[in-house]
Amino acid sequence: AQSVTQPDIHITVSEGASLELRCNYSYGATPYLFWYVQSPGQGLQLLLKYFSGDTLVQGIKGFEAEFKRSQSSFNLRKPSVHWSDAAEYFCAVGARQAGTALIFGKGTTLSVSS
Amino acid sequence: DAGVIQSPRHEVTEMGQEVTLRCKPISGHNSLFWYRQTMMRGLELLIYFNNNVPIDDSGMPEDRFSAKMPNASFSTLKIQPSEPRDSAVYFCASSTGQGDQPQHFGDGTRLSIL
Repeated sequence: AQSVTQPDIHITVSEGASLELRCNYSYGATPYLFWYVQSPGQGLQLLLKYFSGDTLVQGIKGFEAEFKRSQSSFNLRKPSVHWSDAAEYFCAVGARQAGTALIFGKGTTLSVSS
Repeated sequence: DAGVIQSPRHEVTEMGQEVTLRCKPISGHNSLFWYRQTMMRGLELLIYFNNNVPIDDSGMPEDRFSAKMPNASFSTLKIQPSEPRDSAVYFCASSTGQGDQPQHFGDGTRLSIL
């Protein structure tokens, strides 16, 4: 069965500290991979995406993610977290076939302490 | 460019009433998705359309829910009759339909059924 697992429901990091949010997927083939962020009261905003090529992808707001095929993982990282990064983060996978829906993880809520 | 536009942003109504949520996708996007987000179940795909045709409605919880896409620039999600357990945030998203293109989300409709 196709699925996305985000093992951490809630993470708290100190402002300025590094961040890693985990994402593991189960999929029949190499999927397209996405990270979205949701601020309170808003919709989901795309942070970054992986399709092929370099397994380390850069996104907006200083985020990056690394695709590891052997581990079926696509973890999101940021070297130094800002208070404005507090939000909910969703990992998603999609088929390479056109016109199919994404599968989302349950999300990880990030809190930033001062 | 205008993003995905949803209306209303908030809806409060009494149990048993009909509720209609509206979505205008990004111009040129061929795929449209309706999601429901709750604390308990996270982000759930309800239904999606390709070129105005419903492709997968297996996520629609009950016959009380229906969705239409009469043209490429408009979609509705209707609940009739509404129940308190339908209270959630409903998101609409659109994409070009190509697998390597991300979904773009609206800001959602926060629905409260009393």
